[in-house]
Amino acid sequence: SAVISQKPSRDICQRGTSLTIQCQVDSQVTMMFWYRQQPGQSLTLIATANQGSEATYESGFVIDKFPISRPNLTFSTLTVSNMSPEDSSIYLCSVTGHLNTEAFFGQGTRLTVV
Amino acid sequence: RKEVEQDPGPFNVPEGATVAFNCTYSNSASQSFFWYRQDCRKEPKLLMSVYSSGNEDGRFTAQLNRASQYISLLIRDSKLSDSATYLCVVNTNAGKSTFGDGTTLTVKP
Repeated sequence: SAVISQKPSRDICQRGTSLTIQCQVDSQVTMMFWYRQQPGQSLTLIATANQGSEATYESGFVIDKFPISRPNLTFSTLTVSNMSPEDSSIYLCSVTGHLNTEAFFGQGTRLTVV
Repeated sequence: RKEVEQDPGPFNVPEGATVAFNCTYSNSASQSFFWYRQDCRKEPKLLMSVYSSGNEDGRFTAQLNRASQYISLLIRDSKLSDSATYLCVVNTNAGKSTFGDGTTLTVKP
């Protein structure tokens, strides 16, 4: 298993501002992902964070809104840009060691945009 | 149609009851399958992997039927501490996880 440190754990932000969430893993992992979980709903994949190259975004998510960095195998950031109240959600970092193995999650970042 | 569909629930059962959750997936190329548990305001945590041969872990039994693209989770002798949302998760060969909407279980005294 992997130990994942995600921060901040929560934040309240003004609309129009941006927030960067960090995800640090205690070991080198192959795959890192960012998910969003809106209130009362399940997890939706935002993007796959690729080491040293641009992230791969899912339908409905774009780089300008959710820029992602992954400078090495153990660290990634997700930025929520130009926030609106609709961005209020829990954002989760996830890692897997190899394809088709289970995913492990960070503790999540609870974002409220006012 | 959603890629992963679960019983909508919620399930409210007394302690000691047996409860079964069902899940279907649409992508026949899916490679691996899991049940996760998510407690309120917490991140999802792996409950168990699901194999075609079926697997059991204490009071929990998971089954996979690839032909029917169907996954199940059986919980026997329910405990109060089993109250949570159970998420059916399917991975593609790209390693991406697709989550069902979750089924909420409440076990009552």
